[in-house]
Amino acid sequence: KQEVTQIPAALSVPEGENLVLNCSFTDSAIYNLQWFRQDPGKGLTSLLLIQSSQREQTSGRLNASLDKSSGRSTLYIAASQPGDSATYLCAVATTDSWGKLQFGAGTQVVVTP
Amino acid sequence: DGGITQSPKYLFRKEGQNVTLSCEQNLNHDAMYWYRQDPGQGLRLIYYSQIVNDFQKGDIAEGYSVSREKKESFPLTVTSAQKNPTAFYLCASSEGLAPGELFFGEGSRLTVL
Repeated sequence: KQEVTQIPAALSVPEGENLVLNCSFTDSAIYNLQWFRQDPGKGLTSLLLIQSSQREQTSGRLNASLDKSSGRSTLYIAASQPGDSATYLCAVATTDSWGKLQFGAGTQVVVTP
Repeated sequence: DGGITQSPKYLFRKEGQNVTLSCEQNLNHDAMYWYRQDPGQGLRLIYYSQIVNDFQKGDIAEGYSVSREKKESFPLTVTSAQKNPTAFYLCASSEGLAPGELFFGEGSRLTVL
């Protein structure tokens, strides 16, 4: 069964510093990997979706990389702002289990002014 | 605006009662999902549906039931058989039959008194 891990569970950085968030998965036979943002008490907002054939995806200050062979994805947020404070989750879709995305527990990020 | 609407946002239930959470989407998506989120844990899949009048159990379906009579609606019933129903419930949808980008509702928080 696919297992998804996000370390660290929590992270605090000063404003302006670049954020690096990690996501590890055990089964490299993935269909795609998605990064989400969740604010307290709210639903999830999709940030980036990386297909298994891609190495990275970019949107504004966000860049996500994917290395299937090592079972890792990294989300980079450049020049962090207090508004980036949230929990970031990754989710993996595996080729043999349609619909059953496996989620990591998330990394809670606090950006201090 | 297109999106997913969940209701109610907060719900209190006495032990032994069934409750139904509503999920409506106007994105014209084929696939819909129900997830449960507990503090410090990743999302866990309860049920999902690829098409009207068809749905599949996820990882934690016991004590829950769903229906998919219309493309835009996927209600979840939390039955009295669910031993620990207090949680945050999230509904999601995706386009097509492959696990593409997921869109989430704002969630429903259920508390058992």
